[in-house]
Amino acid sequence: DAGVTQSPTHLIKTRGQQVTLRCSPISGHKSVSWYQQVLGQGPQFIFQYYEKEERGRGNFPDRFSARQFPNYSSELNVNALLLGDSALYLCASSSGQPETQYFGPGTRLLVL
Amino acid sequence: QKEVEQNSGPLSVPEGAIASLNCTYSDRGSQSFFWYRQYSGKSPELIMFIYSNGDKEDGRFTAQLNKASQYVSLLIRDSQPSDSATYLCAVGASGGSYIPTFGRGTSLIVHP
Repeated sequence: DAGVTQSPTHLIKTRGQQVTLRCSPISGHKSVSWYQQVLGQGPQFIFQYYEKEERGRGNFPDRFSARQFPNYSSELNVNALLLGDSALYLCASSSGQPETQYFGPGTRLLVL
Repeated sequence: QKEVEQNSGPLSVPEGAIASLNCTYSDRGSQSFFWYRQYSGKSPELIMFIYSNGDKEDGRFTAQLNKASQYVSLLIRDSQPSDSATYLCAVGASGGSYIPTFGRGTSLIVHP
């Protein structure tokens, strides 16, 4: 079975631009979570969606938004990019036990 | 603020030794605990999860949980150079939240 997929794998943007990251969960998984990971730190929670409803939001500014589609795939949008948004963005999916999360390969975002 | 604490390391052990990785958490009501392995430049990979006090073994890995002391550990027996990675501890939240909190990870180096 295919694991969690994310696109793109790498992205370079400039300050002020907008970016959209995409995630497809493991088949049968209905929950998707987004995390930001900077070097030397653990993943920081951004959003969680379950059955297309937002279940949780981390301590991130309103420039960050997300949504989940009927097929359970998800998008993370970041507006007005800052240099500090440079990080590895991880998507994780989970099934009946939402906390048992399986990560995708991540999207590495560099903001110049 | 729920916290998960890990020593960032690096923890250096010789090949064939037992590596012991530790994690403490602040949310006394937490019920689920996870260990992830993350190779440099890659995404986290779930190794084990544990819900009950005591030990849980899976191959060379043993997770140990002590809820009274708010302490969870991961033992890696017969450590191999391929075990060299960062190990992330994640703790599930109490109160119906499905969002785990991650520690910053411990870097493990297994030298031949």
